[in-house]
Amino acid sequence: GAGVSQSPSNKVTEKGKDVELRCDPISGHTALYWYRQSLGQGLEFLIYFQGNSAPDKSGLPSDRFSAERTGGSVSTLTIQRTQQEDSAVYLCASSSTTSGGTVEQFFGPGTRLTVL
Amino acid sequence: GNSVTQMEGPVTLSEEAFLTINCTYTATGYPSLFWYVQYPGEGLQLLLKATKADDKGSNKGFEATYRKETTSFHLEKGSVQVSDSAVYFCALSALSGGSYIPTFGRGTSLIVHP
Repeated sequence: GAGVSQSPSNKVTEKGKDVELRCDPISGHTALYWYRQSLGQGLEFLIYFQGNSAPDKSGLPSDRFSAERTGGSVSTLTIQRTQQEDSAVYLCASSSTTSGGTVEQFFGPGTRLTVL
Repeated sequence: GNSVTQMEGPVTLSEEAFLTINCTYTATGYPSLFWYVQYPGEGLQLLLKATKADDKGSNKGFEATYRKETTSFHLEKGSVQVSDSAVYFCALSALSGGSYIPTFGRGTSLIVHP
């Protein structure tokens, strides 16, 4: 009965370093989303995976951001050459097959990234 | 594009007061509408949803009605408790570029005092 898990829960890095954030979705969920939540802001959509289809990357803010999803399950969000403005909470969510967008998302606890 | 606008917080109330958090949206087509809640130190979780016009979503004493004519989905509760203190996010899900990508509002912080 595990929910969505994310690791690490906190990450402090130096400007210019690369970071990898991990998301384990709920077993059987075909859809997986990454969001960024900055202080005082809403959730900013980053990328969406649905089954074996090509991901929707329309929300990635720059080419420093990339994500992959292996075997239709675990996903990794990679940020290269981190900048201070990348500091935020990165949230992962999963859902069962979207039925016309009516299905709820289940969120992980997030990874708080701090770039010094 | 799609957008969600919700009232800015924080909203500060005394216990047993009436709560309204306004939410309006812009979307093409017929979106589904959601309210998510984020309790301190926890992840977002679904509070309620409505998938078509005039539907009312309800959960834990909270209600919201999908109003297509005013493009609104205001969250209400008749008597709030201290345990309702959290951040509330209004969201919609609509077809965009072939995908159902949810759009979230900025969140409204609710603080309930005893």
